[in-house]
Amino acid sequence: NAGVTQTPKFRVLKTGQSMTLLCAQDMNHEYMYWYRQDPGMGLRLIHYSVGEGTTAKGEVPDGYNVSRLKKQNFLLGLESAAPSQTSVYFCASSYPGQGVFEAFFGQGTRLTVV
Amino acid sequence: AQKVTQAQTEISVVEKEDVTLDCVYETRDTTYYLFWYKQPPSGELVFLIRRNSFDEQNEISGRYSWNFQKSTSSFNFTITASQVVDSAVYFCALSEASGYSTLTFGKGTMLLVSP
Repeated sequence: NAGVTQTPKFRVLKTGQSMTLLCAQDMNHEYMYWYRQDPGMGLRLIHYSVGEGTTAKGEVPDGYNVSRLKKQNFLLGLESAAPSQTSVYFCASSYPGQGVFEAFFGQGTRLTVV
Repeated sequence: AQKVTQAQTEISVVEKEDVTLDCVYETRDTTYYLFWYKQPPSGELVFLIRRNSFDEQNEISGRYSWNFQKSTSSFNFTITASQVVDSAVYFCALSEASGYSTLTFGKGTMLLVSP
């Protein structure tokens, strides 16, 4: 039972390069999220998805795009990386129901943009 | 807009001391959920507790206890007889029932427990 798996775990990019972070969950969760964690800032929501084919902006969406073509996968793209996007990225998933349930987080991706 | 404030940036204690981590929240919703997550040095996020706005009962789980007070918009977390393994960053988070389970996190409190 893998839970939420993020690929890659570490990456160094040069300014202007592009990349895609992959998140996969095997819990059949409807909801998926991308957060970024910066020192002293806690975690902030970038984008989220409430189902296959749907996405929505979170608190800090600029510079990122996302896609949810399959229920189990949620991709985060950086089209032209900037040093300000150096961060630890966490993917999470949860299931809808009566109320709000805890999110299950991946291990994180440490991205450095130089 | 919702907001979570963890005023304590870092707390240092000696093993076996009790320690309380403060969390104050703001929301306009009447139905919401509060969470605590632990982030050990290895970096993963570990879920500790979920509490909905209609349940003000305090909860105890082993050495951990949580005090939820709607009157002061606080959801504080106490570790009794702290241990070195409790050293971690602890996050308080809020989710409004209308928000598709998205979380608003506080900035976290780093707890250092020394032997």
